[in-house]
Amino acid sequence: DTAVSQTPKYLVTQMGNDKSIKCEQNLGHDTMYWYKQDSKKFLKIMFSYNNKELIINETVPNRFSPKSPDKAHLNLHINSLELGDSAVYFCASSQDFRLAGALYTDTQYFGPGTRLTVL
Amino acid sequence: AQTVTQSQPEMSVQEAETVTLSCTYDTSESDYYLFWYKQPPSRQMILVIRQEAYKQQNATENRFSVNFQKAAKSFSLKISDSQLGDAAMYFCAYRSGVTTSGTYKYIFGTGTRLKVLA
Repeated sequence: DTAVSQTPKYLVTQMGNDKSIKCEQNLGHDTMYWYKQDSKKFLKIMFSYNNKELIINETVPNRFSPKSPDKAHLNLHINSLELGDSAVYFCASSQDFRLAGALYTDTQYFGPGTRLTVL
Repeated sequence: AQTVTQSQPEMSVQEAETVTLSCTYDTSESDYYLFWYKQPPSRQMILVIRQEAYKQQNATENRFSVNFQKAAKSFSLKISDSQLGDAAMYFCAYRSGVTTSGTYKYIFGTGTRLKVLA
């Protein structure tokens, strides 16, 4: 009954490979996110999807492509992996809602993280 | 552009004592959200407390409370009666309002590592 789950937890791969990280949430939220946390613990948002539509797309290389097949899933595909991609990747979800025309956000729930190591 | 600054890379507190972690931010918006997240060694990010900018009252969650100073753009976290399990990395985060294109920004500070001494 995990709220936000990610697979795999650990991923070790060679430079140049293509890999995917999967994320699923069973909270019924309509917004999902991907974050990257580097070795210095700096946490940066990469993408956000609301109802399967991209709403935040920070400056990340085109090699990173999020895919949202439905509201409960937001997968991250990475092409041509580079050494600098090594980090912990977190998926998160939240419930945004409209009230009197304004968009409010609820708390973000994070997954356990995926540690990606590129050799 | 909005920024979030946590000026204390590391703090220590004695068990059962009180500690305050500082966070300042810069924004020209009037409507936004502020959060404190905790990241223990397990890596899981856990929400500690949230504050809506339109609310004047400081948020409180059990032993955790904030001092939200909107004019000063300050959002400090106070942990009372510190426990060993409070030892973790603490991140301050800012979520902007929604733009006309329907997007918004989430920005995290660089974190403060809290050590709790027995």
